[in-house]
Amino acid sequence: AQSVTQPDIHITVSEGASLELRCNYSYGATPYLFWYVQSPGQGLQLLLKYFSGDTLVQGIKGFEAEFKRSQSSFNLRKPSVHWSDAAEYFCAVGAPNTDKLIFGTGTRLQVFP
Amino acid sequence: GAVVSQHPSRVICKSGTSVKIECRSLDFQATTMFWYRQFPKQSLMLMATSNEGSKATYEQGVEKDKFLINHASLTLSTLTVTSAHPEDSSFYICSARDVGFDEQYFGPGTRLTVT
Repeated sequence: AQSVTQPDIHITVSEGASLELRCNYSYGATPYLFWYVQSPGQGLQLLLKYFSGDTLVQGIKGFEAEFKRSQSSFNLRKPSVHWSDAAEYFCAVGAPNTDKLIFGTGTRLQVFP
Repeated sequence: GAVVSQHPSRVICKSGTSVKIECRSLDFQATTMFWYRQFPKQSLMLMATSNEGSKATYEQGVEKDKFLINHASLTLSTLTVTSAHPEDSSFYICSARDVGFDEQYFGPGTRLTVT
């Protein structure tokens, strides 16, 4: 069965520091992979997605993620975090040709000035 | 573009009553809409997939008679929680898939509290 693991429930970083949020998935083939951000009172916003091709994916707001098949990982990175990046981040996996998304439990990012 | 709204954003109802939550795609047509449930500090769990003009497909373990889903038009899907109980209290989120695109656009969610 498909599953997504986000090992870090809560991460705190200083503004300007680099960030890496971990995501590991379990799936029999190459899935579709997504990162979403959820801010209070707002819907989930897609940061980036990987379907195929280049394993380093660029997203919005300066985020990027790298698909590593050997590690079943799709970690999200940002070189310099801004205070406005504080939010909940969700990794999700989708099976090709289906509409279903399986979400991880989320990582809450707190940013200190 | 690609905005999805939900109404209401918060609702409190008494045990045994029913409550309806609306999900609208404001600037695009959505043949498929999804309903998720999110528990505190937990992941989003897909409850059902609704396609315009047809019956919703429910995930295993979701009671279709309790969570009634109607997708009457390309821009509106509704979730009705019938005979609500305190254990139905949760955050309900909808998403909509734009025709021709693979991306789902999410609504802001509805906080349901059953007293």
